[in-house]
Amino acid sequence: DAGITQSPRHKVTETGTPVTLRCHQTENHRYMYWYRQDPGHGLRLIHYSYGVKDTDKGEVSDGYSVSRSKTEDFLLTLESATSSQTSVYFCAISISADTQYFGPGTRLTVL
Amino acid sequence: KNEVEQSPQNLTAQEGEFITINCSYSVGISALHWLQQHPGGGIVSLFMLSSGKKKHGRLIATINIQEKHSSLHITASHPRDSAVYICAAPFYNTDKLIFGTGTRLQVFP
Repeated sequence: DAGITQSPRHKVTETGTPVTLRCHQTENHRYMYWYRQDPGHGLRLIHYSYGVKDTDKGEVSDGYSVSRSKTEDFLLTLESATSSQTSVYFCAISISADTQYFGPGTRLTVL
Repeated sequence: KNEVEQSPQNLTAQEGEFITINCSYSVGISALHWLQQHPGGGIVSLFMLSSGKKKHGRLIATINIQEKHSSLHITASHPRDSAVYICAAPFYNTDKLIFGTGTRLQVFP
């Protein structure tokens, strides 16, 4: 599993509250990604990072922000959660040009 | 139109059957990924291929770059192969991936 963990694994929250999801890796890989997975859609890239304090937007970045102050941690923040952000969130790392490893996922429900 | 499309969306099979899942893409790519998502949700990378064919156990992946098409085959399918299989292509030769919507495979004993 390339030492990727996500926390929390499940969260239920209310509309308008802030939420932060954490992705942690143990192997100092440079590239990290946040995706969301929804029925009828493939995994969609929210934000990605190519190093400490270096991040960029993906295709569905509205309503999300990220931070990477340490190589091992990549945080995804929903400043004010909405019901449309109910989803399963996956973190991934690139261990080479060929391969991405995925975390176990976080199931977020926004009521 | 999705840039990466898979077919079929759902597939059921009897144990032992030969399985084929197809992936077509509309962008020019240098390589294509196949991933497996287990019923519990975990995602595992199966293959990355840029030409020809790759084999791992009972799984075989092929790609035709000119036709922008890839297939994933499972020989002698088993119930433990039941999962969602996802293909993904790098976005314009970056390491960002565009994903298909997946093929849900159920293999019955």
